[in-house]
Amino acid sequence: AQKITQTQPGMFVQEKEAVTLDCTYDTSDPSYGLFWYKQPSSGEMIFLIYQGSYDQQNATEGRYSLNFQKARKSANLVISASQLGDSAMYFCAMREGGDTGPRALTFGSGTRLQVQP
Amino acid sequence: DAGVTQSPTHLIKTRGQQVTLRCSPISGHKSVSWYQQVLGQGPQFIFQYYEKEERGRGNFPDRFSARQFPNYSSELNVNALLLGDSALYLCASSSGGPTGLISPLHFGNGTRLTVT
Repeated sequence: AQKITQTQPGMFVQEKEAVTLDCTYDTSDPSYGLFWYKQPSSGEMIFLIYQGSYDQQNATEGRYSLNFQKARKSANLVISASQLGDSAMYFCAMREGGDTGPRALTFGSGTRLQVQP
Repeated sequence: DAGVTQSPTHLIKTRGQQVTLRCSPISGHKSVSWYQQVLGQGPQFIFQYYEKEERGRGNFPDRFSARQFPNYSSELNVNALLLGDSALYLCASSSGGPTGLISPLHFGNGTRLTVT
């Protein structure tokens, strides 16, 4: 089973509007972290926001917020006031806890966001 | 401070050849990871190194190997290249330890490898 599922291959949004990018995850580990990354056409993966499984409040970073619904295992990214520079691929990723082992990120397949003027 | 730097940026190799990719982490970061990103997909974990020791390996064949140097820089080696190895190879560093859950990975711009 997919650990990270992003069901929207592509999204369009008008400049200055808000957009929600969906992400659902699957884990049996009670301790995990959820990340969102932005990848412009240049290829660099840019860290946007982090949500821990035990965090009581939804994470926010500037125009980015994470709508974390633990019972539904969803961690949707909300971008407010979209800008043309927000056009990029967006990846949801999870790092599982546990006692030992590396903390590798498992990525979803991504959502391509295009902001239209 | 400089971010994660990778070299070269692009590389073209022939099937059967060997390739070495290089990565310098953010200053102070001791953990380095490598990811492979095939076109149209999310990155996949290859290796994690911390304090010069391999701490994790993804589902990749033994043709893939890596090492970390005393200055925390890292090299990824791929032997006997296959067409399917064509991908963007991303290096990432983090300030957390090998089992840190919270520290985000900071990625470089990647090396785009084309195997013909």
